[in-house]
Amino acid sequence: AQSVAQPEDQVNVAEGNPLTVKCTYSVSGNPYLFWYVQYPNRGLQFLLKYITGDNLVKGSYGFEAEFNKSQTSFHLKKPSALVSDSALYFCAVRDMRNYGQNFVFGPGTRLSVLP
Amino acid sequence: GAGVSQSPSNKVTEKGKDVELRCDPISGHTALYWYRQSLGQGLEFLIYFQGNSAPDKSGLPSDRFSAERTGGSVSTLTIQRTQQEDSAVYLCASSLGAWNEKLFFGSGTQLSVL
Repeated sequence: AQSVAQPEDQVNVAEGNPLTVKCTYSVSGNPYLFWYVQYPNRGLQFLLKYITGDNLVKGSYGFEAEFNKSQTSFHLKKPSALVSDSALYFCAVRDMRNYGQNFVFGPGTRLSVLP
Repeated sequence: GAGVSQSPSNKVTEKGKDVELRCDPISGHTALYWYRQSLGQGLEFLIYFQGNSAPDKSGLPSDRFSAERTGGSVSTLTIQRTQQEDSAVYLCASSLGAWNEKLFFGSGTQLSVL
């Protein structure tokens, strides 16, 4: 079965500093990996995805994520955090080999960027 | 439509009543998902429709929950005999249907069971 872990409930970072939001996954086959963001009082929005190819994926709003197969991780990163990045971030996985399987989401990590 | 539309945006009901939540996906999207998000919690998968295939109902928490999708478009999630623990935001998402396609989420229905 697929599963996603986000080991940190909360991440605090000062504006201008780099940020990392961690995600690890478990699937039986090769994964499709996604990051979504939920801003206050708004719906979830797609940030980026990894399907195949380069391990470093670039997405919206200056975010990027690095796929590490040996560590089964897909950490979200940004070189310089903005206060407006404060939101709830979800990692999600889908198993390539199991067509028809749904997306499994992690529990979410709340990012607070302090001015 | 331009995006995934959910209605109502808010629903307050009394314990024991039935409720229906509606989702109108993006035109042309063959995949439709229902998730539930409780206060401060992650997304709990409920049900997944893909084209004409039998839906994946593995996430429905009890037989009080059911969903249908008519004509491959609009979906209705029905909760019978609502309980207080059903209070949550119910999110609908759709995608083009391919495995690697991103999800487009609606704004959700906030359900409060008194």
